[in-house]
Amino acid sequence: SQQGEEDPQALSIQEGENATMNCSYKTSINNLQWYRQNSGRGLVHLILIRSNEREKHSGRLRVTLDTSKKSSSLLITASRAADTASYFCATDYSGGSNYKLTFGKGTLLTVNP
Amino acid sequence: NAGVTQTPKFQVLKTGQSMTLQCAQDMNHEYMSWYRQDPGMGLRLIHYSVGAGITDQGEVPNGYNVSRSTTEDFPLRLLSAAPSQTSVYFCASSLGTSGYNEQFFGPGTRLTVL
Repeated sequence: SQQGEEDPQALSIQEGENATMNCSYKTSINNLQWYRQNSGRGLVHLILIRSNEREKHSGRLRVTLDTSKKSSSLLITASRAADTASYFCATDYSGGSNYKLTFGKGTLLTVNP
Repeated sequence: NAGVTQTPKFQVLKTGQSMTLQCAQDMNHEYMSWYRQDPGMGLRLIHYSVGAGITDQGEVPNGYNVSRSTTEDFPLRLLSAAPSQTSVYFCASSLGTSGYNEQFFGPGTRLTVL
């Protein structure tokens, strides 16, 4: 079964507004990654946060991780029309002998000009 | 670098046919994997490899075979296509075999099984 679940499933905002997406997961993880997928394309890595980190920034992106609640959030500030895409969280859970990265179902973000 | 390449981009098969989806990377990555993406289901891991000669099953391996004879190539074989295998297939690779490495994705293969 999939490890991460994003919320909301869809989000529509105006250009310039901030967008917040959440990810919840079920078991202990080593790290959590966020990816973006533009329509009809492959996924592109955005940011990785380790289990011992609480917050990380990259440009207009801010990611937080709360391991006690098994959740993460991705904040995109001052959104642009080009940010329109699906956003996925992916977790590398700490159990098992081999590395497996499992993805959630994604949040579809629409930024209206 | 071309990154991760996948061929073909589109394919239509009849039920029972077999075919191979090709995936190659030129970044000398150890880890390669195959995912399928279905509407409302996100990405599900089919098979993965932590190096040449080593493969393992993911979440949804039934109906698919893989092999990894070289570092660069990781083909996915559909043995006897079924309509339930209609999906978009993504190949991905990463430098290392731990979750601390970002995945690089190919552009995908859109497969329809009639």
